[in-house]
Amino acid sequence: GESVGLHLPTLSVQEGDNSIINCAYSNSASDYFIWYKQESGKGPQFIIDIRSNMDKRQGQRVTVLLNKTVKHLSLQIAATQPGDSAVYFCAENWGGGATNKLIFGTGTLLAVQP
Amino acid sequence: DVKVTQSSRYLVKRTGEKVFLECVQDMDHENMFWYRQDPGLGLRLIYFSYDVKMKEKGDIPEGYSVSREKKERFSLILESASTNQTSMYLCASSSGSILGTDTQYFGPGTRLTVL
Repeated sequence: GESVGLHLPTLSVQEGDNSIINCAYSNSASDYFIWYKQESGKGPQFIIDIRSNMDKRQGQRVTVLLNKTVKHLSLQIAATQPGDSAVYFCAENWGGGATNKLIFGTGTLLAVQP
Repeated sequence: DVKVTQSSRYLVKRTGEKVFLECVQDMDHENMFWYRQDPGLGLRLIYFSYDVKMKEKGDIPEGYSVSREKKERFSLILESASTNQTSMYLCASSSGSILGTDTQYFGPGTRLTVL
């Protein structure tokens, strides 16, 4: 079946640099996407979301870009800090209605070097 | 802020034991979910519930059951724990938007080890 996937298991960046985490999705019917951050030993934490009628959404230091043509989602983190070190998941909304199911990728580990 | 709590952070059980994992949310959310998380496999949906006493199987329901007697509480039950159920278990809840923009909020997780 169709699923969300992340290209890289690990991304290493220098403190202060910008980070870009990518995600490919294959279900063209998905209309809502979420990025989560999961620190070691904790549950996933909501970062930012985007609907399919948008191609960009900005939060505090984070930006999500959606390219429906190539079914690609990215999370950009500006001025990466040590506290950003975590696993990042993208998820797509697959189902709609009253039982919104999310399909998750396996995650990318972001390692911030001081 | 949404708060989802899970009864235990760490749990060690023996093969064959009956195990209860409890989850409580305080935002009056309609939907609740149980996932397990394993290295390299990501989050996999075990069961979910969109209303009190209602439940739906997820992708990997075998070996599990659930109970939702009250809106705020969703329990995952391992009738007879096995070693292959050693995993991180995550509970989530969402408001139940019909617009397809329904964010799920997660608890801290329960790391279950079955010996």
